Amino acid sequence: DTGVSQDPRHKITKRGQNVTFRCDPISEHNRLYWYRQTLGQGPEFLTYFQNEAQLEKSRLLSDRFSAERPKGSFSTLEIQRTEQGDSAMYLCASSNRGPLEAFFGQGTRLTVV
Amino acid sequence: ELKVEQNPLFLSMQEGKNYTIYCNYSTTSDRLYWYRQDPGKSLESLFVLLSNGAVKQEGRLMASLDTKARLSTLHITAAVHDLSATYFCAVDPAYSGAGSYQLTFGKGTKLSVIP
Repeated sequence: DTGVSQDPRHKITKRGQNVTFRCDPISEHNRLYWYRQTLGQGPEFLTYFQNEAQLEKSRLLSDRFSAERPKGSFSTLEIQRTEQGDSAMYLCASSNRGPLEAFFGQGTRLTVV
Repeated sequence: ELKVEQNPLFLSMQEGKNYTIYCNYSTTSDRLYWYRQDPGKSLESLFVLLSNGAVKQEGRLMASLDTKARLSTLHITAAVHDLSATYFCAVDPAYSGAGSYQLTFGKGTKLSVIP
């Protein structure tokens, strides 16, 4: 499968716990994006990597959120001390040429109880 | 702050009918994207519109872009049940000179095609 892969697909966690999601982009893509989507809304940008450099972060990315892309390949998104408001679908996308032709993964659905 | 507004947000239509979804945005941009999302699934790219006057068609869907009016439309011709999904437009502000890499999405239009 040569698409964008995200793991896990679903995560249920208790409030206050830390969670980490992984995204494996399409292998030749150097650009990687994280978005968050809540029910009934469009995706909201969280952060952008070009290779291993994190070039842009949204104001939505509070201090509890951190993203990394070591070696410019896969990326992780960690949420510390989860809150109920963090419940959402977290989408990863990758491309070679900016948002143009970005391919989205299947997403990780987080439920904080 | 870039705003992207879609209307309608909900659309119920009968098979065989035509309809148009509108996407208005608040800043200059030459690039606009349309995506489809099925329930519980990720986003599927439908169209990439790269310049003023761009028109693209795929099957029963046709998208157009008017950058001067800051308006894109997604026209559905002779709708069929398989088109039932949520459709999102997204604007690429990198081409507005804002220097950002993020796409800004509308809230989506949930389309239900009734037999």
